[in-house]
Amino acid sequence: DAGITQSPRHKVTETGTPVTLRCHQTENHRYMYWYRQDPGHGLRLIHYSYGVKDTDKGEVSDGYSVSRSKTEDFLLTLESATSSQTSVYFCAITNRSTGELFFGEGSRLTVL
Amino acid sequence: GIQVEQSPPDLILQEGANSTLRCNFSDSVNNLQWFHQNPWGQLINLFYIPSGTKQNGRLSATTVATERYSLLYISSSQTTDSGVYFCAVDNYGQNFVFGPGTRLSVLP
Repeated sequence: DAGITQSPRHKVTETGTPVTLRCHQTENHRYMYWYRQDPGHGLRLIHYSYGVKDTDKGEVSDGYSVSRSKTEDFLLTLESATSSQTSVYFCAITNRSTGELFFGEGSRLTVL
Repeated sequence: GIQVEQSPPDLILQEGANSTLRCNFSDSVNNLQWFHQNPWGQLINLFYIPSGTKQNGRLSATTVATERYSLLYISSSQTTDSGVYFCAVDNYGQNFVFGPGTRLSVLP
């Protein structure tokens, strides 16, 4: 157990509304990631963070922003949600000793 | 960027059968992991195996880094082995790239 919790676990929202997903970790890991998983596309990296206030874009970052003001929290924001952002979102960390990747339980977002 | 392929895309087995899943990658890597996504969507770590061979119960994995592939072996499969198996690699960039997965169905 890598001590990762995601919230909310399920959310239904309407097109055009802002949405924030939270990832919280308890083990002081430096690297945190947001992935989305869609049928036919597997897992794709949205954004990642390598420290407080240090973030970078991944493969599918358009329409998303992130923030990391504390080591333990990594927030993913959809400023104006679209139906194409309906997906399952996974947060992950890499263990600072081994580099092994661990995932949270996922957040299912539906944009109507 | 690095490309990751997995084969076969789908696999149906009878309970008790053995199987081999393959992951090919297009460049040298410093990290490679196998994950199992169960029917409830959880991503479970199976092996962290950038090179060599590891075993954990009925599962084992081998990575031949010089030839850019990894194999996941499942012996005496059980219905609880059903789900999707992902290979993920990191080629020194701190970002893992995932393969498309192998969907395994084990029938009772």
